Amino acid sequence: AQKVTQAQTEISVVEKEDVTLDCVYETRDTTYYLFWYKQPPSGELVFLIRRNSFDEQNEISGRYSWNFQKSTSSFNFTITASQVVDSAVYFCALSEASGNQFYFGTGTSLTVIP
Amino acid sequence: DGGITQSPKYLFRKEGQNVTLSCEQNLNHDAMYWYRQDPGQGLRLIYYSQIVNDFQKGDIAEGYSVSREKKESFPLTVTSAQKNPTAFYLCASSQTAGSSYNEQFFGPGTRLTVL
Repeated sequence: AQKVTQAQTEISVVEKEDVTLDCVYETRDTTYYLFWYKQPPSGELVFLIRRNSFDEQNEISGRYSWNFQKSTSSFNFTITASQVVDSAVYFCALSEASGNQFYFGTGTSLTVIP
Repeated sequence: DGGITQSPKYLFRKEGQNVTLSCEQNLNHDAMYWYRQDPGQGLRLIYYSQIVNDFQKGDIAEGYSVSREKKESFPLTVTSAQKNPTAFYLCASSQTAGSSYNEQFFGPGTRLTVL
């Protein structure tokens, strides 16, 4: 079974629109960590944020915000006033305290049209 | 600058040949990882190593081999037994072995094409 599901394969928005990338996860651990990464066309994954399972506070960093809801096992990522530089593939990942590896979703390809 | 380097960026191989992808990190990280990325499939774990001279198979280890003789180096060999090796390969490292808290840092990747 897929531990991390990113149902949106591709999204296109016009510049300055807001966009939300969905991430749903599955785990039996009570302690776990959720991550978002950005993969620009160059290919290297860039770490954006980490969230632990005990901290459900939403976080905002500039135009980026994250909404963590344990009740729905979701960790969604919103970009406000999108820009062309936001065009990339975004990955959500899960790490369980009981394990040694990350589980990545299949990624969402975001295209911001100028 | 600290980081992860992978070489080469592009690699072409004939069928039946083994090829080795390089991964070096100067972050003094304990753990290192190899992932394979195919379109629409996200990242899949090939091998990981938590300490020198030790490594574990990931989800898709068949047809691959690794070594970890030095802390900073984790080369991946794609053998002729790998039936569909054309893919984008990413190396990563994290600070503390066995800690699920630490984020992974990624290299720029190697794109392997089998001719």
